[in-house]
Amino acid sequence: GGIITQTPKFLIGQEGQKLTLKCQQNFNHDTMYWYRQDSGKGLRLIYYSITENDLQKGDLSEGYDASREKKSSFSLTVTSAQKNEMAVFLCASSIAGVDTQYFGPGTRLLVL
Amino acid sequence: SQLAEENSWALSVHEGESVTVNCSYKTSITALQWYRQKSGKGPAQLILIRSNEREKRNGRLRATLDTSSQSSSLSITATRCEDTAVYFCATDPTSNTNKVVFGTGTRLQVLP
Repeated sequence: GGIITQTPKFLIGQEGQKLTLKCQQNFNHDTMYWYRQDSGKGLRLIYYSITENDLQKGDLSEGYDASREKKSSFSLTVTSAQKNEMAVFLCASSIAGVDTQYFGPGTRLLVL
Repeated sequence: SQLAEENSWALSVHEGESVTVNCSYKTSITALQWYRQKSGKGPAQLILIRSNEREKRNGRLRATLDTSSQSSSLSITATRCEDTAVYFCATDPTSNTNKVVFGTGTRLQVLP
């Protein structure tokens, strides 16, 4: 088995600040994803990456950057945090072209 | 509009009862997945059912898929308090096998 680690677990920032969330997986999966989950809502795809150094925009990419410098890690940057972005950010990984996604526990973002 | 969505926002049953969560979707799919998310955790896959399958079981769980009506159901028999969670359906669109579209989720509470 494998595991997905997300750091930090909680991230508190100021409005307008640039904030970075990190994700590591040891499944050796090709594809990694970042989702945003607002309270009581479903998951919305921000970015995904099908291999090292690849980036693909999801439905909610505006206001975010992502980086996949290694196969095992995928980071997400909130370029200018806004108060309406308080949410849980979930990282996931999967084998390329295969459906099952494995999720990390999430990073909860709070913007003051 | 949602490309995949569960038909009820919340359900409540008593332990030992059976419950069914329904999902409808709007695009051609290669597969449909059901995920469960417990409080404070990331989603975890329960069942994956491919477009050429009509039913799939996993212990107390049974998923059905009707591609003609673009709908799926997840039934849980002999529910337990630990089944309390949010249940998501997620579709694998034919148009992009690297993306999964999540519904907004159904919150299930199993009461003692």
